[in-house]
Amino acid sequence: GDSVTQMEGPVTLSEEAFLTINCTYTATGYPSLFWYVQYPGEGLQLLLKATKADDKGSNKGFEATYRKETTSFHLEKGSVQVSDSAVYFCALKFSRDDKIIFGKGTRLHILP
Amino acid sequence: AAGVIQSPRHLIKEKRETATLKCYPIPRHDTVYWYQQGPGQDPQFLISFYEKMQSDKGSIPDRFSAQQFSDYHSELNMSSLELGDSALYFCASSSGPSQYFGPGTRLTVT
Repeated sequence: GDSVTQMEGPVTLSEEAFLTINCTYTATGYPSLFWYVQYPGEGLQLLLKATKADDKGSNKGFEATYRKETTSFHLEKGSVQVSDSAVYFCALKFSRDDKIIFGKGTRLHILP
Repeated sequence: AAGVIQSPRHLIKEKRETATLKCYPIPRHDTVYWYQQGPGQDPQFLISFYEKMQSDKGSIPDRFSAQQFSDYHSELNMSSLELGDSALYFCASSSGPSQYFGPGTRLTVT
């Protein structure tokens, strides 16, 4: 079935380091892809999205490119901050369905 | 900007009791979704409503039911609660392809 696989955490980086969180998907068709972020004790916030191949989603310094050939949607940020510490979820959704399929989440710790 | 409102934010119930969770979507959003997130888990889709009609159904137990009202708010009713129902319950709303999530209701069953 359709699924999302993302790198296991926790990921620990120093402030101003470069961030990559890998995400790959398995899907029969061409879903929209999303990154959601969950800060401690809070709900899910939509971070960025891409709806078709080669689209690049970006927000708050984060970027991810929809790569159909590698079925990937890796999240990157050039210089992380302590305030980026959170759990990041990669997700997919088909237009034919209402449900979002999430990955297991990657916990990110940024050290000052 | 207005966000999705969920109430209550925290709820403690005993086994076999019932619980009702409420969700108020972003204004002009016509679709509501419910998700369950167990401890350390990814959110799992339960059910959705569009214009007060059930739109899609996921892994929702038969003990749970939900509906959307004429003002578009939605309620998730949970009966015969079990310890395993302890989780964070999210509501999301949309008027297009992106879903916007509320802060969640943390349900603890003791």
